[in-house]
Amino acid sequence: AQSVTQLGSHVSVSEGALVLLRCNYSSSVPPYLFWYVQYPNQGLQLLLKYTSAATLVKGINGFEAEFKKSETSFHLTKPSAHMSDAAEYFCAVTLAGGYQKVTFGIGTKLQVIP
Amino acid sequence: DVKVTQSSRYLVKRTGEKVFLECVQDMDHENMFWYRQDPGLGLRLIYFSYDVKMKEKGDIPEGYSVSREKKERFSLILESASTNQTSMYLCASTAGWGNEQFFGPGTRLTVL
Repeated sequence: AQSVTQLGSHVSVSEGALVLLRCNYSSSVPPYLFWYVQYPNQGLQLLLKYTSAATLVKGINGFEAEFKKSETSFHLTKPSAHMSDAAEYFCAVTLAGGYQKVTFGIGTKLQVIP
Repeated sequence: DVKVTQSSRYLVKRTGEKVFLECVQDMDHENMFWYRQDPGLGLRLIYFSYDVKMKEKGDIPEGYSVSREKKERFSLILESASTNQTSMYLCASTAGWGNEQFFGPGTRLTVL
């Protein structure tokens, strides 16, 4: 079984400041990890994913995440927040192999203050 | 451009009504999923399907059923809607396990 914990349901940053959204996972075997973003009144779309290749993963819109096995973490970062980054972000985990469902975190709402 | 479409963006139903939510994907994906999204709870898996006519229960299947008669279409059925099923419902599809899920825009269902 797998699980994911997102610390902080709401995060506020100033425009231009560093964005850091935290995600910790739990799984009995090596996981696949994802970050999705949801803009208001839309479905989720993929930001980036980790599937056991490079531990530093670059995604769309300047976001990146680092897989740290020792810390069981997959935190999402962006050096400089933009107003358009305001959205809800979901971390998700699944296991390699067939018929593995995806488990999502509760989400973190990012507010960007001008 | 890949697409997952859902039949309604907003739906209002009465308690006890039978409700159908439809999802169609145009990517020839084998796997399709229904989630509900509630504030503070994230996305919870209701049912998924890995092939036509095949279905598996997710984490919260009670009060729901599904149908997949064609590869591109996955329907969620609320046999007798209740107020606690008021929620945002999201459909998703994926080409294979471990791959990116593609989501529809969601249906916001209100049960009165």
